[in-house]
Amino acid sequence: AQRVTQPEKLLSVFKGAPVELKCNYSYSGSPELFWYVQYSRQRLQLLLRHISRESIKGFTADLNKGETSFHLKKPFAQEEDSAMYYCALRQGNNDMRFGAGTRLTVKP
Amino acid sequence: DTGVSQNPRHKITKRGQNVTFRCDPISEHNRLYWYRQTLGQGPEFLTYFQNEAQLEKSRLLSDRFSAERPKGSFSTLEIQRTEQGDSAMYLCASVTGDYTDTQYFGPGTRLTVL
Repeated sequence: AQRVTQPEKLLSVFKGAPVELKCNYSYSGSPELFWYVQYSRQRLQLLLRHISRESIKGFTADLNKGETSFHLKKPFAQEEDSAMYYCALRQGNNDMRFGAGTRLTVKP
Repeated sequence: DTGVSQNPRHKITKRGQNVTFRCDPISEHNRLYWYRQTLGQGPEFLTYFQNEAQLEKSRLLSDRFSAERPKGSFSTLEIQRTEQGDSAMYLCASVTGDYTDTQYFGPGTRLTVL
């Protein structure tokens, strides 16, 4: 069955430290993966998608098909990065499967 | 605000009552999704529309749930004979038709069934 796993519900780092939010997936086809973010009192929004291979707000994510992972990384965390982060897998054209999310707290 | 809107933002109802939620997508988006999110979980896919056609429904969508999108614009999600387990945040997202396929989420409707 298709599944997205985010093993850490909570992650806390100090400002300036590197951060890595883990995401593992199981999917038999060719995956399309995303990271969505929800800042406090804001709606869920797209952060980045693996197809774009871009860096957004200093975050990058590399799809590793061998390890079936799509970890989100940032070399130097900022306080404004504190938010809820969801990894998501799109199956076909219509079904988006989300992980349970990781709450990132960046301490000053 | 030209983003996705949802109404009401909060709904408290008694078990057994029917409730209806509305989603107004971004005007040029022809695809619309409904999700349910319970505490500590990510959004769970419920159903999907391409224009007015409902193309897919999750097994989570029991026969007490029905969704419509008349004329391919706004959408409604109705829950009949609500149960306490229906308490959740109901999210709507509309999707661009371009290559990015980005989902734009609404603020959600929080349902509490007493």
